[in-house]
Formats: sequence, structure tokens, C-alpha cells
Amino acid sequence: AQSVTQLDSHVSVSEGTPVLLRCNYSSSYSPSLFWYVQHPNKGLQLLLKYTSAATLVKGINGFEAEFKKSETSFHLTKPSAHMSDAAEYFCVVSAFTGGGNKLTFGTGTQLKVEL
Amino acid sequence: GAVVSQHPSRVICKSGTSVKIECRSLDFQATTMFWYRQFPKQSLMLMATSNEGSKATYEQGVEKDKFLINHASLTLSTLTVTSAHPEDSSFYICSALQGASSYNSPLHFGNGTRLTVT
Repeated sequence: AQSVTQLDSHVSVSEGTPVLLRCNYSSSYSPSLFWYVQHPNKGLQLLLKYTSAATLVKGINGFEAEFKKSETSFHLTKPSAHMSDAAEYFCVVSAFTGGGNKLTFGTGTQLKVEL
Repeated sequence: GAVVSQHPSRVICKSGTSVKIECRSLDFQATTMFWYRQFPKQSLMLMATSNEGSKATYEQGVEKDKFLINHASLTLSTLTVTSAHPEDSSFYICSALQGASSYNSPLHFGNGTRLTVT
């Protein structure tokens, strides 16, 4: 079994300040982890992925995430928020189980960026 | 690269009619595509897995006769909502798996279709 918990449904930051979106996971198998961003009425765009290589993963638009197995976390960070970062962010865990690949989506975190 | 085109982006239809939504992988072949439904302020709910040349696999609770899926080619999957009702109004998103099915392969998403049934 696997699950994803996004600890904050809403995060609000000021433009230029750091962003932290938290994600914890559980999986019976060695998982891959992804962060996707969704702008209003749009599909999801891949920000970054972790696939058992380097634990610190750099993605697009200045985002990065660190896989911490001991804490079962994969938090998304960005040093300086931009207005265009305002969107919904989803943490996703993927694992190959006996029944095939299984993707589990978190419930999402709405990021608001204020002037 | 890895662009998925979903059409239409918005559709309004009358209750009782059918609506077809197309999902195309523009620059890669996708043997597997997925259809999701997203309710306001919620995460994506997997409806079905579409495999080229074979029948779709539906998730529990999804009516296969109501949500018809066809994946006739390596670049096109369609979802037809038959006899639509207002409760079918939602945001539908498709995604395609690039390359062989692997747990570390990312999905590429279409931009979604906002369906409103009046």
C-alpha cells in the first residue's frame, strides 16, 4: 500500500520569500516521487522527479526537492517566490507493485503569492 | 517535447446527449493513457487506464458503459461521456505515459476539458 500526505492545503508567501510545500509519503516498495503544478483550468505540468538517483532533485522554474528516506518526506522548495508561482501543487508517489504501476496523488497545496 | 493535446478545452452540452473528448500525444507514442476526473478544489481521481489495442481498465465505481474509452492508435485515446447528466459536470484530464510502463516514468498531461451539462 502507498499514500501521500500534503500537510498544508494552502500556503501563502510574499513575493521574493522562500517557498516550502510539504509532502510525506508511505510505500511498501521503493517509490518514485514527483511534484506537479497545475494552473487554473489547466492540466498538470511536471516540476521534478526523484527516481532513486540523487536525493536532491532540481526541477524547472527554480524549484527543488529533497528525498529524505528517514523522514519519508519529499518537500518542495524554492528560494524566492514569484507571482507566477501561484498555482496548485501536487505530490505524487509511484511504485511498481505486484499488480503493476500505481500512482497516488496527494490532495494538493494551493500556493498564494502576495506582493 | 512530450506534448499531450486535449480537445475540446471546454464543452457545454444538454442533459441526455453524448460528448467525446480527445487526447493526443503529439510527439511521442503512448501505449498507455489515463483518464482522470477532478472535482473543484480536489485532487485527481483516476477513472480508467487506456491501453492501445485493448479494452480499458476501469477503476472501481466508474461505469464503463457511461464513460466509453477507445484507444485505437498509439497517439489517440478518446473518452465519450454518454447520456450526460448534470452530475457528470467536471474537469476531465488525460495523461499519457511516454515509453514503456515504468514506475519512474513521468506522466504528461493534457490541459483538461471543462464539461458542463445543463
